[in-house]
Amino acid sequence: DAGVIQSPRHEVTEMGQEVTLRCKPISGHDYLFWYRQTMMRGLELLIYFNNNVPIDDSGMPEDRFSAKMPNASFSTLKIQPSEPRDSAVYFCASRGQAGSNSPLHFGNGTRLTVT
Amino acid sequence: AQSVTQLDSQVPVFEEAPVELRCNYSSSVSVYLFWYVQYPNQGLQLLLKYLSGSTLVKGINGFEAEFNKSQTSFHLRKPSVHISDTAEYFCAVSDNFGNEKLTFGTGTRLTIIP
Repeated sequence: DAGVIQSPRHEVTEMGQEVTLRCKPISGHDYLFWYRQTMMRGLELLIYFNNNVPIDDSGMPEDRFSAKMPNASFSTLKIQPSEPRDSAVYFCASRGQAGSNSPLHFGNGTRLTVT
Repeated sequence: AQSVTQLDSQVPVFEEAPVELRCNYSSSVSVYLFWYVQYPNQGLQLLLKYLSGSTLVKGINGFEAEFNKSQTSFHLRKPSVHISDTAEYFCAVSDNFGNEKLTFGTGTRLTIIP
């Protein structure tokens, strides 16, 4: 089991550019979550999917953010256009069963810096 | 909605000393409670969880936590810490009514002093 795989590990981009973050969940996991971690706000849930369908995107900060899950083994989080305040570590996590009592399995994160 | 408060943003502790990391939660319904640990440059991993039953929960790496409903607390403890315990620790809560979302606290950075 390779765990949740995120790419890239680090991304540095200029304000206004499009950024795409990628995630491969653990095989067989039906739930996928995108979190953002900042010093000021801690860990925030942006969006989560169940069986590739977005269930709750109420944490997505604004229309510049979008997330897709075209199949069970791949998800993207896109920011267009990016802004300096988007600088953060973005985590993808997956879960194998329904119910919050099941543990989340996190990737190692993508550290995004927008200059 | 639930919320979690971790009052201590940083806790320095001497090696082999005991440690307690504090967590208080707020919820109008029954909850599940979790502690996750984040080692440098890694994602979070589950340390322990309280779902129901015994209020004292044991986790990995010698950590344990006690659920106190009257004080709405779920403090994490370890009797003797090691250098390898240096990490950030997150308390998290969810309701037990089928809500898939987990709400995290802002984290406590544990630093072990040799």
